[in-house]
Amino acid sequence: SAVISQKPSRDICQRGTSLTIQCQVDSQVTMMFWYRQQPGQSLTLIATANQGSEATYESGFVIDKFPISRPNLTFSTLTVSNMSPEDSSIYLCSVEAGQGNTEAFFGQGTRLTVV
Amino acid sequence: GQQVMQIPQYQHVQEGEDFTTYCNSSTTLSNIQWYKQRPGGHPVFLIQLVKSGEVKKQKRLTFQFGEAKKNSSLHITATQTTDVGTYFCVEIQGAQKLVFGQGTRLTINP
Repeated sequence: SAVISQKPSRDICQRGTSLTIQCQVDSQVTMMFWYRQQPGQSLTLIATANQGSEATYESGFVIDKFPISRPNLTFSTLTVSNMSPEDSSIYLCSVEAGQGNTEAFFGQGTRLTVV
Repeated sequence: GQQVMQIPQYQHVQEGEDFTTYCNSSTTLSNIQWYKQRPGGHPVFLIQLVKSGEVKKQKRLTFQFGEAKKNSSLHITATQTTDVGTYFCVEIQGAQKLVFGQGTRLTINP
């Protein structure tokens, strides 16, 4: 199993500003994943973050809007840039159990409200 | 990649009634996972199905994978208030990409 500490748990931000979300894992993992869950909706993958390389973004998500850092094997950040009310969502980081086990573990999520 | 279709979107039952959610895909799935997300919480892994026709049970929960590996279901017998939440089927695409179904939100009248 993996324990993920994600912060902040929630924030209310002014439009036009940026918020950086942090995820710390209690073990070394190759990949970390960032998801967005819009109100009442399912989870959508934003990007996959590998240590030592640029993140891989899914269709509809770009690096300028959601820059990601992955400085080491236990930590990653996602920044939501130049926020608008449409960015109000829950953002979650995730890792896999590893060793061939594809079970995913999630952080507690960051509930972002943009006003 | 195509998303698995999950139905129903919402289900409200009386405590003690059964509940079933279904996932369907137009393409063959290599495997499928199920997650539960409690209100205000994060998704928690329940199970993974890999084999054609596979059936797995966890207490009151029964998971099935279709013979053609294009559909899956989760059935809860005699629901309890602790079963409240949203249940997601998840397709694994490529090496490790999880694609979530739309989810079925279960509410229970005690």
